[in-house]
Amino acid sequence: QLQLQESGPGLVKPSETLSLTCTVSDDSISTGAYYWGWIRQPPGKGLEWIGNIYYTGSTYYNPSLKSRLTISVDTSKNQFFLRLSSVTAADTAIYYCARGGGYFTTMHTLEYWAQGTLVTV
Amino acid sequence: QSALTQPASVSGSPGQSITISCTGTSGDVGGYNYVSWYQHHPGKAPKLIIYDVSNRPSGVSTRFSGSKSGTVASLTISGLQAEDEADYYCNSYTSDFTVVFGGGTKLTVL
Repeated sequence: QLQLQESGPGLVKPSETLSLTCTVSDDSISTGAYYWGWIRQPPGKGLEWIGNIYYTGSTYYNPSLKSRLTISVDTSKNQFFLRLSSVTAADTAIYYCARGGGYFTTMHTLEYWAQGTLVTV
Repeated sequence: QSALTQPASVSGSPGQSITISCTGTSGDVGGYNYVSWYQHHPGKAPKLIIYDVSNRPSGVSTRFSGSKSGTVASLTISGLQAEDEADYYCNSYTSDFTVVFGGGTKLTVL
C-alpha cells in the first residue's frame, strides 16, 4: 500500500514562506507513472487544489496562488515539495499531498493521500 | 477559476438513496469525462470513491455510483448507512490545465 507523509513547520509567521515536503514510500515518483499534487483545506472550508507536478518537473498551478507558489520534485529522494511565499492568515489550512493519475488530464484523480498537516500562519 | 457548485447539505434516512450534484461549465465538467468524487470524514484523509465520472476504485462499495449529464455530474449513494455521514467533494480537470474542486456537500444520515 502506497504511503505519503508530509513534513514541515506547523507554524509560519506572516510574510514568510511556507515549506512542506511530501515523502512517498516507494519509488513511484521516478517511474513517471503518476502526477503528484498538493491540496489544502482552510478551517471550516472546503478542499482547494494548490497544484500538481510530474517527475520531469512540469508543474500545474492554481491561478490564484501561482504568483506565490513553487512545487518541485526530487526523484532520487522520492519527495516532492511545496513552497508558498508571503503567507497570510488566509493560508492557514490543513495541507495534504496526494498521488494523481497517470496523465495530466487525470492529475485530479487523487487515489492516495497523506494524512494532512495543519499549518498555522 | 470558479469552484464547481455543490449543494451545501443533503440528508437521508438509513436505507434511502440520495444524490449530490456537481455543476460546472463546458470548460470542466461538461468538457471531459474526468470528474472524481471524494468522501471526507473530518480528521481523516479524503477517500476517492468515483473517478472518470462513473468508475469505482477497487474496494469502494457498489452503493456509490456516478453519472454526468452535460455540465452536471452526480453522485448517488444508495442504501444509506450511518457510516456514509461525511463531507463529499467533486473535482474535475479543466481546459486551463488546472484542477477545480466543488465547494463540498455535508451528508447527514438521519
